[in-house]
Amino acid sequence: GENVEQHPSTLSVQEGDSAVIKCTYSDSASNYFPWYKQELGKGPQLIIDIRSNVGEKKDQRIAVTLNKTAKHFSLHITETQPEDSAVYFCAASFHGGSQGNLIFGKGTKLSVKP
Amino acid sequence: KAGVTQTPRYLIKTRGQQVTLSCSPISGHRSVSWYQQTPGQGLQFLFEYFSETQRNKGNFPGRFSGRQFSNSRSEMNVSTLELGDSALYLCASSFSRGDEQYFGPGTRLTVT
Repeated sequence: GENVEQHPSTLSVQEGDSAVIKCTYSDSASNYFPWYKQELGKGPQLIIDIRSNVGEKKDQRIAVTLNKTAKHFSLHITETQPEDSAVYFCAASFHGGSQGNLIFGKGTKLSVKP
Repeated sequence: KAGVTQTPRYLIKTRGQQVTLSCSPISGHRSVSWYQQTPGQGLQFLFEYFSETQRNKGNFPGRFSGRQFSNSRSEMNVSTLELGDSALYLCASSFSRGDEQYFGPGTRLTVT
Protein backbone atom coordinates (compact mmCIF):
# COMPACT_ATOMS: atom_id res chain seq x y z
CA GLY A 1 0.00 0.00 0.00
CA GLU A 2 0.88 3.66 -0.17
CA ASN A 3 3.34 5.12 2.31
CA VAL A 4 4.07 8.84 2.71
CA GLU A 5 7.15 10.15 4.47
CA GLN A 6 7.38 13.79 5.54
CA HIS A 7 10.41 15.87 6.58
CA PRO A 8 11.31 17.68 8.73
CA SER A 9 9.15 16.87 11.74
CA THR A 10 9.79 20.31 13.21
CA LEU A 11 10.81 23.55 11.49
CA SER A 12 11.53 26.91 13.08
CA VAL A 13 11.96 30.03 10.94
CA GLN A 14 12.13 33.77 11.45
CA GLU A 15 9.20 35.86 10.31
CA GLY A 16 9.70 36.79 6.67
CA ASP A 17 11.85 33.78 5.85
CA SER A 18 10.75 30.92 3.60
CA ALA A 19 9.77 27.44 4.80
CA VAL A 20 9.97 24.23 2.80
CA ILE A 21 8.42 20.89 3.76
CA LYS A 22 9.13 17.77 1.72
CA CYS A 23 7.25 14.53 1.23
CA THR A 24 7.92 11.33 -0.65
CA TYR A 25 5.39 8.71 -1.62
CA SER A 26 5.78 5.07 -2.56
CA ASP A 27 2.85 4.21 -4.86
CA SER A 28 3.43 5.45 -8.40
CA ALA A 29 -0.32 5.17 -9.01
CA SER A 30 -1.00 8.07 -6.61
CA ASN A 31 -2.20 11.08 -8.55
CA TYR A 32 -3.55 13.56 -5.99
CA PHE A 33 -1.45 15.36 -3.37
CA PRO A 34 -3.13 17.76 -0.92
CA TRP A 35 -1.58 19.76 1.91
CA TYR A 36 -3.39 20.46 5.14
CA LYS A 37 -2.73 22.94 7.94
CA GLN A 38 -3.88 22.03 11.43
CA GLU A 39 -4.02 24.58 14.21
CA LEU A 40 -4.37 23.63 17.86
CA GLY A 41 -7.86 22.37 18.66
CA LYS A 42 -9.00 22.41 15.04
CA GLY A 43 -9.40 19.95 12.21
CA PRO A 44 -7.01 19.91 9.24
CA GLN A 45 -7.66 22.72 6.74
CA LEU A 46 -6.99 22.12 3.05
CA ILE A 47 -4.56 24.85 1.92
CA ILE A 48 -3.43 23.70 -1.52
CA ASP A 49 -3.41 20.56 -3.64
CA ILE A 50 -1.83 19.33 -6.84
CA ARG A 51 -2.66 16.62 -9.30
CA SER A 52 -0.15 14.49 -11.14
CA ASN A 53 -0.67 16.20 -14.50
CA VAL A 54 0.75 19.43 -13.06
CA GLY A 55 4.32 20.14 -11.90
CA GLU A 56 3.73 23.25 -9.82
CA LYS A 57 0.84 25.21 -8.36
CA LYS A 58 0.87 28.57 -6.59
CA ASP A 59 -1.61 30.41 -4.38
CA GLN A 60 -0.29 33.73 -3.06
CA ARG A 61 2.51 32.86 -0.58
CA ILE A 62 2.05 29.11 -0.89
CA ALA A 63 3.31 26.87 -3.65
CA VAL A 64 3.51 23.12 -4.17
CA THR A 65 5.84 21.29 -6.53
CA LEU A 66 5.60 17.71 -7.72
CA ASN A 67 8.31 15.49 -9.16
CA LYS A 68 6.55 12.34 -10.37
CA THR A 69 9.74 10.62 -11.45
CA ALA A 70 11.32 10.93 -8.03
CA LYS A 71 7.96 10.60 -6.24
CA HIS A 72 8.58 13.81 -4.30
CA PHE A 73 6.34 16.75 -3.59
CA SER A 74 7.05 19.85 -1.54
CA LEU A 75 5.26 22.75 0.11
CA HIS A 76 6.88 26.17 -0.09
CA ILE A 77 5.72 29.06 2.09
CA THR A 78 7.29 32.45 1.38
CA GLU A 79 7.33 35.57 3.59
CA THR A 80 6.24 33.54 6.61
CA GLN A 81 4.08 35.18 9.25
CA PRO A 82 3.41 34.16 12.88
CA GLU A 83 -0.08 33.00 11.86
CA ASP A 84 1.56 30.39 9.63
CA SER A 85 2.61 28.56 12.81
CA ALA A 86 0.77 25.23 12.81
CA VAL A 87 1.23 21.54 11.97
CA TYR A 88 1.31 20.85 8.25
CA PHE A 89 0.40 17.47 6.75
CA CYS A 90 1.02 16.19 3.27
CA ALA A 91 -1.11 13.39 1.84
CA ALA A 92 -1.36 11.21 -1.24
CA SER A 93 -4.14 9.25 -2.83
CA PHE A 94 -5.29 7.68 -6.05
CA HIS A 95 -8.33 9.39 -7.48
CA GLY A 96 -10.12 7.61 -10.22
CA GLY A 97 -10.90 4.14 -9.04
CA SER A 98 -12.52 2.59 -6.07
CA GLN A 99 -9.96 4.17 -3.78
CA GLY A 100 -9.89 7.76 -2.61
CA ASN A 101 -8.76 7.70 0.96
CA LEU A 102 -5.88 9.94 1.88
CA ILE A 103 -2.61 8.54 3.20
CA PHE A 104 -0.98 11.16 5.40
CA GLY A 105 2.58 11.98 6.34
CA LYS A 106 3.40 12.32 10.04
CA GLY A 107 3.27 16.10 10.01
CA THR A 108 5.65 19.05 10.34
CA LYS A 109 5.31 21.48 13.22
CA LEU A 110 6.18 24.90 11.83
CA SER A 111 7.04 27.70 14.26
CA VAL A 112 7.42 31.24 12.90
CA LYS A 113 9.24 33.52 15.33
CA PRO A 114 8.34 37.20 15.21
CA LYS B 1 -21.80 27.69 3.41
CA ALA B 2 -21.47 25.94 6.75
CA GLY B 3 -18.52 23.61 7.19
CA VAL B 4 -18.42 20.04 8.40
CA THR B 5 -19.89 19.71 11.87
CA GLN B 6 -19.14 16.96 14.35
CA THR B 7 -20.86 16.16 17.62
CA PRO B 8 -20.03 15.84 20.38
CA ARG B 9 -16.74 17.74 20.43
CA TYR B 10 -15.49 16.00 23.57
CA LEU B 11 -16.35 12.66 25.10
CA ILE B 12 -15.09 10.66 28.06
CA LYS B 13 -15.91 6.96 28.20
CA THR B 14 -14.88 3.96 30.25
CA ARG B 15 -13.20 0.82 28.91
CA GLY B 16 -15.76 -1.66 27.62
CA GLN B 17 -18.40 0.94 26.81
CA GLN B 18 -19.48 1.86 23.32
CA VAL B 19 -19.70 5.27 21.69
CA THR B 20 -21.40 6.87 18.68
CA LEU B 21 -20.00 9.93 16.95
CA SER B 22 -21.90 12.06 14.47
CA CYS B 23 -20.87 13.99 11.38
CA SER B 24 -22.86 16.39 9.20
CA PRO B 25 -21.13 17.07 5.87
CA ILE B 26 -21.05 20.33 3.97
CA SER B 27 -24.38 20.91 2.27
CA GLY B 28 -24.40 19.13 -1.09
CA HIS B 29 -21.50 16.85 -0.25
CA ARG B 30 -22.33 13.18 -0.60
CA SER B 31 -19.11 11.45 0.43
CA VAL B 32 -18.00 11.17 4.06
CA SER B 33 -14.72 9.72 5.30
CA TRP B 34 -13.60 9.11 8.85
CA TYR B 35 -10.04 9.32 10.18
CA GLN B 36 -8.43 8.63 13.54
CA GLN B 37 -5.66 10.96 14.72
CA THR B 38 -3.25 9.98 17.51
CA PRO B 39 0.18 11.35 18.45
CA GLY B 40 1.80 7.99 17.76
CA GLN B 41 0.10 6.85 14.56
CA GLY B 42 -0.85 10.19 13.06
CA LEU B 43 -3.85 10.43 10.76
CA GLN B 44 -5.22 7.04 9.75
CA PHE B 45 -8.14 6.28 7.44
CA LEU B 46 -11.07 4.44 9.01
CA PHE B 47 -13.77 4.23 6.32
CA GLU B 48 -15.54 6.06 3.52
CA TYR B 49 -19.26 6.26 2.85
CA PHE B 50 -21.03 7.31 -0.32
CA SER B 51 -24.72 6.88 -1.15
CA GLU B 52 -25.31 5.18 2.19
CA THR B 53 -22.79 2.43 1.36
CA GLN B 54 -19.36 1.80 2.79
CA ARG B 55 -17.02 2.08 -0.17
CA ASN B 56 -13.65 1.68 1.45
CA LYS B 57 -12.30 0.56 4.81
CA GLY B 58 -9.00 1.06 6.58
CA ASN B 59 -7.09 -1.42 8.69
CA PHE B 60 -9.10 -1.21 11.90
CA PRO B 61 -10.81 -3.98 13.89
CA GLY B 62 -14.48 -4.79 13.48
CA ARG B 63 -15.27 -2.86 16.69
CA PHE B 64 -15.18 0.22 14.47
CA SER B 65 -18.24 0.61 12.30
CA GLY B 66 -20.21 3.33 10.65
CA ARG B 67 -23.18 4.21 8.55
CA GLN B 68 -24.48 6.96 6.33
CA PHE B 69 -28.03 8.21 6.12
CA SER B 70 -30.01 9.35 3.09
CA ASN B 71 -29.24 13.01 3.91
CA SER B 72 -25.48 12.15 3.80
CA ARG B 73 -25.03 12.56 7.54
CA SER B 74 -22.82 9.86 8.98
CA GLU B 75 -22.21 8.18 12.29
CA MET B 76 -19.39 6.01 13.48
CA ASN B 77 -19.58 3.58 16.35
CA VAL B 78 -16.86 2.03 18.46
CA SER B 79 -17.86 -0.90 20.63
CA THR B 80 -16.02 -2.40 23.59
CA LEU B 81 -13.78 0.62 23.98
CA GLU B 82 -10.09 0.14 24.76
CA LEU B 83 -7.64 2.66 26.21
CA GLY B 84 -5.90 2.76 22.84
CA ASP B 85 -9.06 4.11 21.20
CA SER B 86 -8.41 7.48 22.84
CA ALA B 87 -7.94 9.80 19.88
CA LEU B 88 -9.28 12.68 17.83
CA TYR B 89 -11.84 11.32 15.39
CA LEU B 90 -12.12 13.42 12.26
CA CYS B 91 -14.80 13.43 9.64
CA ALA B 92 -14.15 14.76 6.14
CA SER B 93 -16.70 15.43 3.44
CA SER B 94 -16.35 15.80 -0.31
CA PHE B 95 -18.79 16.55 -3.09
CA SER B 96 -18.26 13.12 -4.57
CA ARG B 97 -15.76 10.31 -4.37
CA GLY B 98 -12.30 11.49 -5.33
CA ASP B 99 -12.96 15.19 -4.76
CA GLU B 100 -11.22 17.49 -2.28
CA GLN B 101 -11.88 16.51 1.30
CA TYR B 102 -12.81 19.10 3.93
CA PHE B 103 -12.43 18.21 7.57
CA GLY B 104 -14.57 18.96 10.58
CA PRO B 105 -13.15 20.01 13.97
CA GLY B 106 -13.16 16.44 15.27
CA THR B 107 -14.44 14.64 18.34
CA ARG B 108 -11.89 14.19 21.11
CA LEU B 109 -12.56 10.77 22.68
CA THR B 110 -10.88 9.86 25.96
CA VAL B 111 -11.19 6.30 27.24
CA THR B 112 -10.40 5.77 30.94
